[in-house]
Amino acid sequence: DVKVTQSSRYLVKRTGEKVFLECVQDMDHENMFWYRQDPGLGLRLIYFSYDVKMKEKGDIPEGYSVSREKKERFSLILESASTNQTSMYLCASSLSGSNYGYTFGSGTRLTVV
Amino acid sequence: GESVGLHLPTLSVQEGDNSIINCAYSNSASDYFIWYKQESGKGPQFIIDIRSNMDKRQGQRVTVLLNKTVKHLSLQIAATQPGDSAVYFCAENITGRRALTFGSGTRLQVQP
Repeated sequence: DVKVTQSSRYLVKRTGEKVFLECVQDMDHENMFWYRQDPGLGLRLIYFSYDVKMKEKGDIPEGYSVSREKKERFSLILESASTNQTSMYLCASSLSGSNYGYTFGSGTRLTVV
Repeated sequence: GESVGLHLPTLSVQEGDNSIINCAYSNSASDYFIWYKQESGKGPQFIIDIRSNMDKRQGQRVTVLLNKTVKHLSLQIAATQPGDSAVYFCAENITGRRALTFGSGTRLQVQP
């Protein structure tokens, strides 16, 4: 009964590559979020979306973009991957108007070499 | 600025003991707090939450305490079990902000 699915558990990409991280939720949630998780820094918000085709920058959007063409799918794009983007990426979703009850995916561990 | 931080990065306890994980926050506009548990290889999972108009909330073996005077949040786990070994995050909802703000996490290690 997986509810938030991140397409890849592990990814290894080369510096300069364009990278797509995919997230799909089946709970009909309006809000979707991308966080990155680094040791000692916790979860930091990259981008979020509160509706289809809507997006807002989080705290660390530089070097990233997002796409939300369908309600259930929220993609994180690294335009030109760099080694400092090596991290664990977590996708989450929640109901509209609510920061309650985030459901997280299992994460994608991205290594940029 | 806004921040949610933890006092201890790693906490080691004996099985059967009680665990207390602490969290400090700095934004007085925070109106809701959540504790998440993240096991190895998994995403964070909701444990318990508390609104700012409460001081205490209890769940199954877990209790969250909120002290708004000193902007401090704690998670108490009773009779800690090996399955409680994980990283624990506190998160706050700052009024007017559209996304949760997370702390840096505490790793709980339960010794048999």
